[in-house]
Amino acid sequence: AQSVTQPDIHITVSEGASLELRCNYSYGATPYLFWYVQSPGQGLQLLLKYFSGDTLVQGIKGFEAEFKRSQSSFNLRKPSVHWSDAAEYFCAVAHNTNAGKSTFGDGTTLTVKP
Amino acid sequence: GAVVSQHPSWVICKSGTSVKIECRSLDFQATTMFWYRQFPKQSLMLMATSNEGSKATYEQGVEKDKFLINHASLTLSTLTVTSAHPEDSSFYICSVQGEDTEAFFGQGTRLTVV
Repeated sequence: AQSVTQPDIHITVSEGASLELRCNYSYGATPYLFWYVQSPGQGLQLLLKYFSGDTLVQGIKGFEAEFKRSQSSFNLRKPSVHWSDAAEYFCAVAHNTNAGKSTFGDGTTLTVKP
Repeated sequence: GAVVSQHPSWVICKSGTSVKIECRSLDFQATTMFWYRQFPKQSLMLMATSNEGSKATYEQGVEKDKFLINHASLTLSTLTVTSAHPEDSSFYICSVQGEDTEAFFGQGTRLTVV
């Protein structure tokens, strides 16, 4: 069965600082990986996705993620965090390309200090 | 991308009553939709796959007689929580599988059972 682990429950960074959110997955075949962001009381917005090809993928809002098969990781990064980035972030893995049916990690809450 | 709308955004109901939540795909014909449940400070858990014109497929541990799903058209799926109890209070989110390996999520419905 597929699973996703986000080791950090809560991360606090200062505005302008760099950010890395960790994600590890367990999946028997080629994973289809996603990062989503959720503001309080809202649905999910896709930040980026990886299916194949270049292991460094670029997303919206200045986010990027790197797929490392050897480490079963798909960490999310941003070079300079803005206060508006404060939210809940979820990593997810899908069976084949059916992104609608995904297994989500427990999420990481990002707090941004002024 | 597809726009997915859920209604209502929030609902309070008395214990023992039933509540219907709608998920509409506004600009995309969706043969498949997905229903997730999210408890506070927790991740999204897939409840069921809603198939247009046929029975929904429920995940293990989800009571199909309690969570009735109807997908009568290509743009509408409904989730009815029957005989709701306080432990059913949660955030319910639907998603639509888009054409380009991307899922689009509704804004969610906050259900509170008192």
